[in-house]
Amino acid sequence: QKEVEQDPGPLSVPEGAIVSLNCTYSNSAFQYFMWYRQYSRKGPELLMYTYSSGNKEDGRFTAQVDKSSKYISLFIRDSQPSDSATYLCAMKTGGGADGLTFGKGTHLIIQP
Amino acid sequence: GAVVSQHPSRVICKSGTSVKIECRSLDFQATTMFWYRQFPKKSLMLMATSNEGSKATYEQGVEKDKFLINHASLTLSTLTVTSAHPEDSSFYICSARDRTVGANVLTFGAGSRLTVL
Repeated sequence: QKEVEQDPGPLSVPEGAIVSLNCTYSNSAFQYFMWYRQYSRKGPELLMYTYSSGNKEDGRFTAQVDKSSKYISLFIRDSQPSDSATYLCAMKTGGGADGLTFGKGTHLIIQP
Repeated sequence: GAVVSQHPSRVICKSGTSVKIECRSLDFQATTMFWYRQFPKKSLMLMATSNEGSKATYEQGVEKDKFLINHASLTLSTLTVTSAHPEDSSFYICSARDRTVGANVLTFGAGSRLTVL
């Protein structure tokens, strides 16, 4: 079993729809959870960052972490064609200088 | 915000040659930089952690002698792919952590696409 599982998609939804992206993980030591957006042929950019369980909202984006279920989600409200990209979940254990463990990424397509 | 510049963005080389990729933090100091490799439709795989002034820490399965990492200053890390072969063709991405900000926020470069003929 891989450490982080993420459905690669593609996920295609109409403009204005609510999008739900998810990751599951197996390592209970993960404490820091992030969502990155990556456009084609570009590096990832940080969208959301959460520590431990709970919700975090930033504009149209909401990140949820359920550590008991080892499940994290990213919701996008009022989706726009410009949201079309690959969304990668990432997580790490401690606060030290160690790298992130990424999901495979979900390719999201917002249809105009 | 923090910006990480990666150069070159694309490089094509012949098999057997060496290629150097630079990763620079433009407006912050980065004691730690990370090098990732990404295959099409695959996740980012951490290759190594680059520490300023010390040797890089490589992930299991990554050849140290093939992927040379040098972190000579607080704003520059380089990855050299030595004696490149077609199987080394990939998208290489660096990331850096601003030492003055929270340790968990990484800024990524735009990536370097290497094609080995």
